[in-house]
Amino acid sequence: DAGITQSPRYKITETGRQVTLMCHQTWSHSYMFWYRQDLGHGLRLIYYSAAADITDKGEVPDGYVVSRSKTENFPLTLESATRSQTSVYFCASSEEANLGNQPQHFGDGTRLSIL
Amino acid sequence: AQSVTQPDIHITVSEGASLELRCNYSYGATPYLFWYVQSPGQGLQLLLKYFSGDTLVQGIKGFEAEFKRSQSSFNLRKPSVHWSDAAEYFCAVGVITSYGKLTFGQGTILTVHP
Repeated sequence: DAGITQSPRYKITETGRQVTLMCHQTWSHSYMFWYRQDLGHGLRLIYYSAAADITDKGEVPDGYVVSRSKTENFPLTLESATRSQTSVYFCASSEEANLGNQPQHFGDGTRLSIL
Repeated sequence: AQSVTQPDIHITVSEGASLELRCNYSYGATPYLFWYVQSPGQGLQLLLKYFSGDTLVQGIKGFEAEFKRSQSSFNLRKPSVHWSDAAEYFCAVGVITSYGKLTFGQGTILTVHP
């Protein structure tokens, strides 16, 4: 079944390490998003992408890097992980920017712990 | 910039009781409004959305929400809660010029007692 897949589902790493979270969608949606979910903050947008090779910052981009060389993939990299980046990360996609027609579809999340 | 507030962090109801989850938004024009539900260990699932027209919208799983412009609110309701409704609920706002970006509230955790 088509969908949006995040990997890994769980990751433990140490401060200073580089870690990459993967997101793959099979719908060929143009728009993709990365959120982090923290208690008391809901979901906050880290980065988003309107198409391959087009990315832009969201609300909390510091410490993160994204790329989008292919429409279906949108990896999120923590170049030097810090404890404050311990969180649950969600990837989402939508076919177009018109939210009235095409809401976002979410992956199941990656739970990242940084020791 | 738009913002969303969910005043209730945690709500507990008995099975079969009615439910109302509150959501207030701040935005200068009419936004797109959404309610999502998140079960433990899962991603977010869209319950319903509002962007124009009838201010009472129906969603999946028997949920409905009412947009009240005068109160800047978009409260979620269900007449009779089932144990399977226990989850975390998020209200979100989007604007047409924001390339599909959403701003989420802090979430409300719903506990259902038998």
